[in-house]
Amino acid sequence: NAGVMQNPRHLVRRRGQEARLRCSPMKGHSHVYWYRQLPEEGLKFMVYLQKENIIDESGMPKERFSAEFPKEGPSILRIQQVVRGDSAAYFCASSLTGSGNTIYFGEGSWLTVV
Amino acid sequence: KQEVTQIPAALSVPEGENLVLNCSFTDSAIYNLQWFRQDPGKGLTSLLLIQSSQREQTSGRLNASLDKSSGRSTLYIAASQPGDSATYLCAVRPTGTASKLTFGTGTRLQVTL
Repeated sequence: NAGVMQNPRHLVRRRGQEARLRCSPMKGHSHVYWYRQLPEEGLKFMVYLQKENIIDESGMPKERFSAEFPKEGPSILRIQQVVRGDSAAYFCASSLTGSGNTIYFGEGSWLTVV
Repeated sequence: KQEVTQIPAALSVPEGENLVLNCSFTDSAIYNLQWFRQDPGKGLTSLLLIQSSQREQTSGRLNASLDKSSGRSTLYIAASQPGDSATYLCAVRPTGTASKLTFGTGTRLQVTL
């Protein structure tokens, strides 16, 4: 039973380019969360999605960032026109239900903007 | 606004020692609390989940306690091993929302031979 799968694990982008990070939740999980870990900082919540719905995006920057979790396929976190401050580790997590259950994290996608 | 604090920020102990990591949170209206381990350059591994109605959870050499009224949790590691070296994170899930975990900044543990 595969865990939460994220790809790419490492991504380098030049300023102004787009970054797309993908996440496949654990089998049977329909709740997906994205968190960001900036260097020397703790993890910060970004967005919570269920299939085809954004439930809570209160942690997402208002511009350049978007997330989706389509009916088929992985969840995608998209960052347009990346800047150096976007360099961070982006973690995806999933859970079986939206409350009470253990949340399982992926290995992360490390974005470096040069 | 929920704030989660972990002390100490870093800890070094010799192998075999028992140790306690501390986590405190400002808002006691939590749904549950989860302890994670993070190895350098890796993701988070869930260690223990304590529901708000529970006082403690145990898994192997790990024991986590929760005192919701005082806003505190501890992670006890018995007979520490070099393989326990990692950063330990606690995260609280508030009531009223299914989504957001609020994380502490972690305790970096080094177990020496």
